Amino acid sequence: RKEVEQDPGPFNVPEGATVAFNCTYSNSASQSFFWYRQDCRKEPKLLMSVYSSGNEDGRFTAQLNRASQYISLLIRDSKLSDSATYLCVVGGFKTIFGAGTRLFVKA
Amino acid sequence: DTEVTQTPKHLVMGMTNKKSLKCEQHMGHRAMYWYKQKAKKPPELMFVYSYEKLSINESVPSRFSPECPNSSLLNLHLHALQPEDSALYLCASSRASGGDFSYEQYFGPGTRLTVT
Repeated sequence: RKEVEQDPGPFNVPEGATVAFNCTYSNSASQSFFWYRQDCRKEPKLLMSVYSSGNEDGRFTAQLNRASQYISLLIRDSKLSDSATYLCVVGGFKTIFGAGTRLFVKA
Repeated sequence: DTEVTQTPKHLVMGMTNKKSLKCEQHMGHRAMYWYKQKAKKPPELMFVYSYEKLSINESVPSRFSPECPNSSLLNLHLHALQPEDSALYLCASSRASGGDFSYEQYFGPGTRLTVT
């Protein structure tokens, strides 16, 4: 089992749609969780940290389920500019990146 | 300011060349990282420096040699590289590193390396 697993997609959604990504992790001792977005040929940029209580930033909501060892990212009212690869990242002694989920938002 | 800078942006080098990649941050972060990223793959961790000491080396070949001259600077010295080493090399920094808890990492724009 991979340490961090994500559905690679691609997810093709129309503008205005709601889309959700899940990510599972294998190390139950992990304490830190993040979502990054990466545009083509650019560096990863921190989208949000994921807290136990869940957190929201505008159209983006992240949740953590420690019992099932997964984190999720919900994007509401998708915009064309949301098209990117979304990387699930689990922190610890070493930071582990998921393979990424590609999102295409179409007009 | 969450800026990490990297130079050069692009680098083409032959297999017998020696070159260096540079990374700088002024956020007061005490951990710095080198990652390698191939197309359509996630970043792969290469090295971690914590308080200017090498704390993680992910079994990287010795043709890659990291150096941390001070808490703001990180270099990656390259020598006798192979064509398969062509990739995007990313530097990142975070407040600290180690233990079961990690802080957010902030990435530089990367150096796109081509080995001919």
